[in-house]
Amino acid sequence: EDQVTQSPEALRLQEGESSSLNCSYTVSGLRGLFWYRQDPGKGPEFLFTLYSAGEEKEKERLKATLTKKESFLHITAPKPEDSATYLCAVQVLISSGSARQLTFGSGTQLTVLP
Amino acid sequence: SAVISQKPSRDICQRGTSLTIQCQVDSQVTMMFWYRQQPGQSLTLIATANQGSEATYESGFVIDKFPISRPNLTFSTLTVSNMSPEDSSIYLCSVVGTGGVGYTFGSGTRLTVV
Repeated sequence: EDQVTQSPEALRLQEGESSSLNCSYTVSGLRGLFWYRQDPGKGPEFLFTLYSAGEEKEKERLKATLTKKESFLHITAPKPEDSATYLCAVQVLISSGSARQLTFGSGTQLTVLP
Repeated sequence: SAVISQKPSRDICQRGTSLTIQCQVDSQVTMMFWYRQQPGQSLTLIATANQGSEATYESGFVIDKFPISRPNLTFSTLTVSNMSPEDSSIYLCSVVGTGGVGYTFGSGTRLTVV
C-alpha cells in the first residue's frame, strides 16, 4: 500500500529562520511527487512536481528536493506570508502503464512569526 | 493553468438532506476528480469523473452516497446524500493541470451537517 508521511505535523519559525519540511514515501513505482500550499478555507495551490531522484526545483524562498525515499521542502528566510499548510502527494505508476491518482500526506502546518 | 469555480463555497445542512456541489472549469478536461478533506486531515480521493461514462469510485465511497454527474467536458457535480454529521468536511474538485503545472484544485466547499 502506498504511504506518504509528512513531518513535522506543525512548525513554528521566527521570520528569517530557515528550515525544512520532510515528506517520506513508500510506493511501488513513483511517477511524480507534488508539493502544494494550502491556506485556510482555500484549495491546495500547486508549488512543484519532482519526477526523479536528484531533481531540485526552486520558487522564491522555497526549494524542493527528491531522493528515492523522501522529499524535502526547504524554506529560506521565511516571511509571515509563508504561513500555510504544506502538503505533499505522490502519483504512482501501475502495471498497465497508467498512473493512479494522487495520494496525499497529512501536511505540515507552518507558522512564521514576525 | 485551468481555473476552477466551485459552488457553494460553504453550507450548513440538516442531517438526512442532500447537497449538490458544482464544479465549473474554464477549459475542456477529460478527467475531473472529487476529494474530501475531513477536519484536520489531508485529502482523500472520492472518485474520478469522466465525461460520458460512470464515475470510478475509490474504496470506501459508493455511488448511492456520492452520486456524480459529468454532462460535458467543463462541468461536474457531486451530491452528498442523506447527510450525517460525519459528512462534515471540505469537498474539492480537481483537474489535471497544463503547462507543467500539477493538478489544479477548486477553492472547496465547506460543508457542516447539523
